[in-house]
Amino acid sequence: GAVVSQHPSWVICKSGTSVKIECRSLDFQATTMFWYRQFPKQSLMLMATSNEGSKATYEQGVEKDKFLINHASLTLSTLTVTSAHPEDSSFYICSAISVQTQYFGPGTRLLVL
Amino acid sequence: QKEVEQNSGPLSVPEGAIASLNCTYSDRGSQSFFWYRQYSGKSPELIMFIYSNGDKEDGRFTAQLNKASQYVSLLIRDSQPSDSATYLCAVKGFGNEKLTFGTGTRLTIIP
Repeated sequence: GAVVSQHPSWVICKSGTSVKIECRSLDFQATTMFWYRQFPKQSLMLMATSNEGSKATYEQGVEKDKFLINHASLTLSTLTVTSAHPEDSSFYICSAISVQTQYFGPGTRLLVL
Repeated sequence: QKEVEQNSGPLSVPEGAIASLNCTYSDRGSQSFFWYRQYSGKSPELIMFIYSNGDKEDGRFTAQLNKASQYVSLLIRDSQPSDSATYLCAVKGFGNEKLTFGTGTRLTIIP
C-alpha cells in the first residue's frame, strides 16, 4: 500500500507556542489529504480536508484560525497549531488518498504544558 | 447525515476461533467499504477494502458486503493474540470523498 509519513512523531511544547506538523505522501501524489485528531479512548475526529493549491475545508466546530493547514504541493500538507493550549494535547493523524483508498500516517502526539 | 454503526464491544474471542465484526451504514449511495485496524496508541492501518457484493478473502481475513442490507462484515479466521485491536469500519461515496468512520469495535483475543 501507499506510504504516508508524519513529522515529528511526538512534540512537547509550552502553552502559547505554535507547533507545525508535516504530512508527506512518500510514493504517490495526493491532491487530497485529511487531518484527524484523536483523544485517548475516543474515536477519530476529522478536523479538515486539505486540497492541494486551495483552501482547506474545516469540519464544524474546528477553528480554522487556530489550526492552519497548508497543502502547497502534491506530497506535503502541514498543520500548524497556533497558540497551543493544554486542551490541544492530542494525537494528530494525517491521511492521504491513493487510488481512491485512504492511507494514514503514523500520527503525531502533541503534549502542551 | 451519513452514519456507520458498529458494536463498540469489547468482543472477546478465544485464540484460534473466528472473530466476526459487523458494520451497518445508512447511505445507500456508498460505493467503497474499508476495514482498518488500530492498535492502542497507533494510527489506523488498512486491512481490506471491498467494492462489490459478496466475499473478498485475503489471508486470514474475509470481508463480506451486502449492499441490499447495507451491511459489511469482517471475519478473522484462526484468531491470534496479535489481532487484539480496535477495528474501524469506513464507507465512502465516489472519488476522493472523505471516509465516514464507525466508532470501532474493540476485539480481544484470549490466549
